[in-house]
Order: sequence, then C-alpha cells, then structure tokens
Amino acid sequence: DTAVSQTPKYLVTQMGNDKSIKCEQNLGHDTMYWYKQDSKKFLKIMFSYNNKELIINETVPNRFSPKSPDKAHLNLHINSLELGDSAVYFCASSPGQGWMNTEAFFGQGTRLTVV
Amino acid sequence: ELKVEQNPLFLSMQEGKNYTIYCNYSTTSDRLYWYRQDPGKSLESLFVLLSNGAVKQEGRLMASLDTKARLSTLHITAAVHDLSATYFCAVFQGGSEKLVFGKGTKLTVNP
Repeated sequence: DTAVSQTPKYLVTQMGNDKSIKCEQNLGHDTMYWYKQDSKKFLKIMFSYNNKELIINETVPNRFSPKSPDKAHLNLHINSLELGDSAVYFCASSPGQGWMNTEAFFGQGTRLTVV
Repeated sequence: ELKVEQNPLFLSMQEGKNYTIYCNYSTTSDRLYWYRQDPGKSLESLFVLLSNGAVKQEGRLMASLDTKARLSTLHITAAVHDLSATYFCAVFQGGSEKLVFGKGTKLTVNP
C-alpha cells in the first residue's frame, strides 16, 4: 500500500499547455510538500502545506499553483508550461510541527518533459 | 537562510574500501536526515538523526551527527556495488517545516 502516491509518473506536454500533478498520502501526516529536482539532481522545495494551509512558498513563478483540498492531498497545477519547467517533481509528507521525528516520505516522482 | 553543503559531490570507489561523505550546514538545527536515491527512483530514507552525538548504523552505512560543529558524516565500510546511488543529506530549518537538501553525493562502487 503506497504511502505517498503521485500521478502521473510521466508527463510529456507542449510549451504553453496547462497541466496538473496529483499527490495523495495515506500516512495521516499533517504536512505535505512539493519539491523540484532538476537535471543536476538538485532538490529544491517549492511549497509546503500544513493541514491545508500554505506555510512555505518559495520563489516560484506564479504559473505554479498548489492546491490542498484536504490534508491528505496536495496537487500542483502549472500554467503556460515552459521548457525550463522540465524536471522531476516530488511530493512528500511528514508528520508536521510538534512531532520530533519529522522524517519526510517521498512519492515516486513525476517526470515532466516540456517540448 | 539555511545552507547545506555535501562533499564530495562525486565519489568513485572500489569494492571493499571505506569512505566518508560529509554534510555541513550553516544554521542551528537538531534534525538531520540521510536519503538514498537510485537512478530514476524516489528518495528512500536511510537515517534520522535527532540529537548531538547521535550515531545510527545499518549494514555497511553509519551516520553520525555533531550539532555543535553542524556536521554529519555518512561512513561507508567495505563498499559493495549495491551501494552505488546518490546520497542526500537534508536538514530541517529551525522554526519552519522546510527541509533543505544538500546537492547529493553520487557514489559509484566499482568491482
């Protein structure tokens, strides 16, 4: 039973399109994240939600919009896709503030290719 | 702003040898994690280090944390080919839920 699941696993789309990536966790965690991993394997946080509330919003183009309908789901919508958006996007979850062991568990990643 | 530096970024070693990967971070934190990533795969949690002097071992890998020096090490003993992967350290930025990653160390173990 997958703890953090993302869909789709692969996404190939043309420049200018709008696309969404979905993430769900069944761990009962309060906090969810989106990370971007570029071609050099650097992992950078984009957003974090705690109980549906946005708590981290890094310097990310406003074409990226996260949405958390409930604490088990965090989706990422990207408008007007650009070539530079090509990367692997990872969703993650952790128990959240107040928990000492705030280990983050990662989904399998979504490889986005913009052509 | 928390900065996490790993070195080396690339490590090629022979089977049977020992080596250490270093992770330095710039601001106080009491939570440090090591992850492993195989090519095309997700990140797998290896170690959770929560206090100064913490040491954890799993098989041929041993991780330690010195919060005063802001340094963690991942020691590899008698490397085997199966350990080939990219290893990331990650540190929680104090007062936030932000987990900041180092750039990763790509380890290749040659027969």
